[in-house]
Amino acid sequence: AQTVTQSQPEMSVQEAETVTLSCTYDTSESNYYLFWYKQPPSRQMILVIRQEAYKQQNATENRFSVNFQKAAKSFSLKISDSQLGDTAMYFCAFTPGGSRLTFGEGTQLTVNP
Amino acid sequence: KAGVTQTPRYLIKTRGQQVTLSCSPISGHRSVSWYQQTPGQGLQFLFEYFSETQRNKGNFPGRFSGRQFSNSRSEMNVSTLELGDSALYLCASSSARSSYNEQFFGPGTRLTVL
Repeated sequence: AQTVTQSQPEMSVQEAETVTLSCTYDTSESNYYLFWYKQPPSRQMILVIRQEAYKQQNATENRFSVNFQKAAKSFSLKISDSQLGDTAMYFCAFTPGGSRLTFGEGTQLTVNP
Repeated sequence: KAGVTQTPRYLIKTRGQQVTLSCSPISGHRSVSWYQQTPGQGLQFLFEYFSETQRNKGNFPGRFSGRQFSNSRSEMNVSTLELGDSALYLCASSSARSSYNEQFFGPGTRLTVL
């Protein structure tokens, strides 16, 4: 069984600064997919970024980037130039393929003005 | 394209009752998955339907069931409601055409069991 762990229940950052959210996972699969989802107060889950395990290059989407360390089973999310709209719960998620996602516990990120 | 829609958005029931939640996927998406989100257990996978067949099932009791119709709309049913069933129920759809399936989530149905 796969597990996903987010060890930071809450984090805060000042507007325009950079913050990194941590995620570790455990799996015996050799190929899989990792995601970061954002859930703002509206509760709508929004995909932030995804990483395919067979790709060594770290994924980047505008201000969001990941640090994927396959050997360490680590998948952190870096948010640069934080904005007030980034305030949300962030979930790390894993799938070996297909539609079933395993989520971490979530990290509540607050961006302060 | 319209996004994933879920109805109703809010629901209040009492213990012992049953409830049916509905999910309409993005047009063209054939896979619908359901998740339960609670403060204590987090986000947990309930089941996935693809082409009217249950393709995957999480670790939930038989009181939780679902189905999918020929137009890909899905319903989930919870019978004999318990207080612990109070949760946000999220539905997600995907095209299921690739080796990984990007999930597009609906806004959720907030179920309160009294």
